[in-house]
Amino acid sequence: DQQVKQNSPSLSVQEGRISILNCDYTNSMFDYFLWYKKYPAEGPTFLISISSIKDKNEDGRFTVFLNKSAKHLSLHIVPSQPGDSAVYFCAASEENDMRFGAGTRLTVKP
Amino acid sequence: DTAVSQTPKYLVTQMGNDKSIKCEQNLGHDTMYWYKQDSKKFLKIMFSYNNKELIINETVPNRFSPKSPDKAHLNLHINSLELGDSAVYFCASSQMAGGNQPQHFGDGTRLSIL
Repeated sequence: DQQVKQNSPSLSVQEGRISILNCDYTNSMFDYFLWYKKYPAEGPTFLISISSIKDKNEDGRFTVFLNKSAKHLSLHIVPSQPGDSAVYFCAASEENDMRFGAGTRLTVKP
Repeated sequence: DTAVSQTPKYLVTQMGNDKSIKCEQNLGHDTMYWYKQDSKKFLKIMFSYNNKELIINETVPNRFSPKSPDKAHLNLHINSLELGDSAVYFCASSQMAGGNQPQHFGDGTRLSIL
């Protein structure tokens, strides 16, 4: 059972534009959400997170939005840069239980 | 300095063999994890240890046995390897247990069973 879904396996964006990566979850008990970024042959690295008591968290070019009623979160990157090209994983957790999505491969074209 | 290091990076072996993957973190974290990334690219948690004690043990065949000699190390031993064990295995650590703790990952061990 895939409790965290990233329905777009890939996304291509022009440099300087906004990248929007989406994530849906099914378990309403999840109360913390994280985004990780992964380059080839490396492990995922933590990017940004949000608690279920908030609907937005911003860190520089990265903003995560949470819509609890829709069980949906999104990661916005603006402006996108070629170095942002990577696979982005969404994760959701309840206490010690953390579930990851399958990732979205973002390509930022110069 | 690598924060979470796992060895080996690649492991190619025959079905039926026993192998180990080692993981060490130098971040002073209390909690360590093992994940399996399968062919569909999902990262699935296998085990979690907090201060050398097992706190998460997902439905994993008992051929997989984690061992934590101290809180900086979490090794994974796999007996009687099967074709379905082919995957990338990631070790991770976090400052403490809890789903709100960002995890630091190693670069993965790609296990291929012939």
